[in-house]
Amino acid sequence: TQLLEQSPQFLSIQEGENLTVYCNSSSVFSSLQWYRQEPGEGPVLLVTVVTGGEVKKLKRLTFQFGDARKDSSLHITAAQPGDTGLYLCRGGNEKLTFGTGTRLTIIP
Amino acid sequence: DAGVIQSPRHEVTEMGQEVTLRCKPISGHNSLFWYRQTMMRGLELLIYFNNNVPIDDSGMPEDRFSAKMPNASFSTLKIQPSEPRDSAVYFCASRPGGAKNIQYFGAGTRLSVL
Repeated sequence: TQLLEQSPQFLSIQEGENLTVYCNSSSVFSSLQWYRQEPGEGPVLLVTVVTGGEVKKLKRLTFQFGDARKDSSLHITAAQPGDTGLYLCRGGNEKLTFGTGTRLTIIP
Repeated sequence: DAGVIQSPRHEVTEMGQEVTLRCKPISGHNSLFWYRQTMMRGLELLIYFNNNVPIDDSGMPEDRFSAKMPNASFSTLKIQPSEPRDSAVYFCASRPGGAKNIQYFGAGTRLSVL
């Protein structure tokens, strides 16, 4: 099983601030996904990145796949309370375990 | 579509008892996954099925855990006997054929073994 490390583990910031969270591995992925999980719910897929260096935007969320396809970042601009949740990354393969996640809290 | 449906949402049981968790995947999806989530270990894949056939159960922690998929619309995860360390949230997810990267998750079953 390939390991995915996410950082930071916890992040709490004020509404309106910007933030970046990271997903890293020593392995190369064919693709990588980001999920958001809200309390009492299952993870929901946000985006899949496939090409090294790829950047995808989803409103205020910007996802980047590293050139070597071993890491990824998620940047949120002007964070809002609705962004609160657990952010998980996952490699594009059934055998890969999800990262332990970044638990994000946006303070109004 | 109603999405992936799991039952029960919450289960509290005593150590040694048998626990059965249920999952109804999205109609037409041909892959089904069982995960366990804890604070310490995150989200772990336990087992997955393609077309009702178990493909990889290497994530199942031990023989106390078993999973079945008797048909395309139903799967169970059974723990017998249960132990306090089995306490976690158990998720089921399904995936449509040909969509390698997309999984749709249920809301989970929160299991507490006392």
